[in-house]
Amino acid sequence: GAGVSQSPSNKVTEKGKDVELRCDPISGHTALYWYRQSLGQGLEFLIYFQGNSAPDKSGLPSDRFSAERTGGSVSTLTIQRTQQEDSAVYLCASSSDGMNTEAFFGQGTRLTVV
Amino acid sequence: GEDVEQSLFLSVREGDSSVINCTYTDSSSTYLYWYKQEPGAGLQLLTYIFSNMDMKQDQRLTVLLNKKDKHLSLRIADTQTGDSAIYFCAFRRTGGYNKLIFGAGTRLAVHP
Repeated sequence: GAGVSQSPSNKVTEKGKDVELRCDPISGHTALYWYRQSLGQGLEFLIYFQGNSAPDKSGLPSDRFSAERTGGSVSTLTIQRTQQEDSAVYLCASSSDGMNTEAFFGQGTRLTVV
Repeated sequence: GEDVEQSLFLSVREGDSSVINCTYTDSSSTYLYWYKQEPGAGLQLLTYIFSNMDMKQDQRLTVLLNKKDKHLSLRIADTQTGDSAIYFCAFRRTGGYNKLIFGAGTRLAVHP
């Protein structure tokens, strides 16, 4: 597609439910990032995929969070047993390989846990 | 994150210059970036500087890099209300992953 696409754009869920957030990166981009942006907080790194390498999961806040990237393209971020503190905007970005490549961001998914 | 530090908030008067500062820890960084996030939008690349440069100017934007102190700054001349946004500095960690590391972002508020 023309840009990074995230769905849904908004998600309201009940505490304790599982949610799946989807990211469609720009075609051909080998790198894919997930970030979380909470109200009044900064950008928090969650996970990074690069090609066929093992993902860097060092930013995932708990074992309730997981992500996968199928076929080197679409990625899904799953949050199990959601808590109110999970409420945030979840941003996905992709970039091509190389030393100086721009990361393109999606519009984000606003998750509200009630 | 702890690899990149930015102050969270800056308020300036319209027409004044804004200076947004960033410090980073990774001395191997080759490219350093400034991204801008306007209200309700995703992040967009604003400008970047290669590590062998001290300064880069692009219209109203001036990027200064002090490699010795690991300090990056973005100066916006003649700040306008349309410059109100969150500004993120970032660097690309070299070796292995080439992962982009972002600061937490500085919210710039421009008032009349």
